[in-house]
Amino acid sequence: GAVVSQHPSRVICKSGTSVKIECRSLDFQATTMFWYRQFPKKSLMLMATSNEGSKATYEQGVEKDKFLINHASLTLSTLTVTSAHPEDSSFYICSASPLSVDTEAFFGQGTRLTVV
Amino acid sequence: AQSVTQLDSQVPVFEEAPVELRCNYSSSVSVYLFWYVQYPNQGLQLLLKYLSGSTLVKGINGFEAEFNKSQTSFHLRKPSVHISDTAEYFCAVSVSGSSASKIIFGSGTRLSIRP
Repeated sequence: GAVVSQHPSRVICKSGTSVKIECRSLDFQATTMFWYRQFPKKSLMLMATSNEGSKATYEQGVEKDKFLINHASLTLSTLTVTSAHPEDSSFYICSASPLSVDTEAFFGQGTRLTVV
Repeated sequence: AQSVTQLDSQVPVFEEAPVELRCNYSSSVSVYLFWYVQYPNQGLQLLLKYLSGSTLVKGINGFEAEFNKSQTSFHLRKPSVHISDTAEYFCAVSVSGSSASKIIFGSGTRLSIRP
């Protein structure tokens, strides 16, 4: 089956620094990837749609300058949390679907970000 | 716009008892429906999905769900649960209706199994 890998799985950073999270489709190409955020004991909220070769599409209420998304290739999307603050601490998950089989989204294992 | 409602935030069940996790959706177009499971500090695993055809969908780990268009429901069931089924369960709907890639999730139901 299709595999989506996220890195790192856990990261702790200091307030004010930036953190980059990678999402890779290991055995398929994806023109579109999605980034979700999950607060403790809450559901997954769609943050943005990452589009290969063009700007990401952000959901309402998500700061695009805060959460920078780059989709430079058909197998890699990155989410950079800029000038991180403790309130950015969360579980971030990406997903992607193969171009030829779009009847299922495959999720990465998630990245737990803790800002101290 | 599509939305998903999971009516129960928590469902406690005794081991080997049956369970039903409720899910209702709203959409003005045809959609794909999904159930995902999330174990603590892990990503999501697809349990089952409804795309079209038979309204009774069987998934992994003995789970099944029934699509009911008239009631706009997609309830998840298992006839006999195990301790290992303790997890968070999310019902989800695809946004575009013709692609599963962009998904909106319900609020989740925490299933806790008592011995």
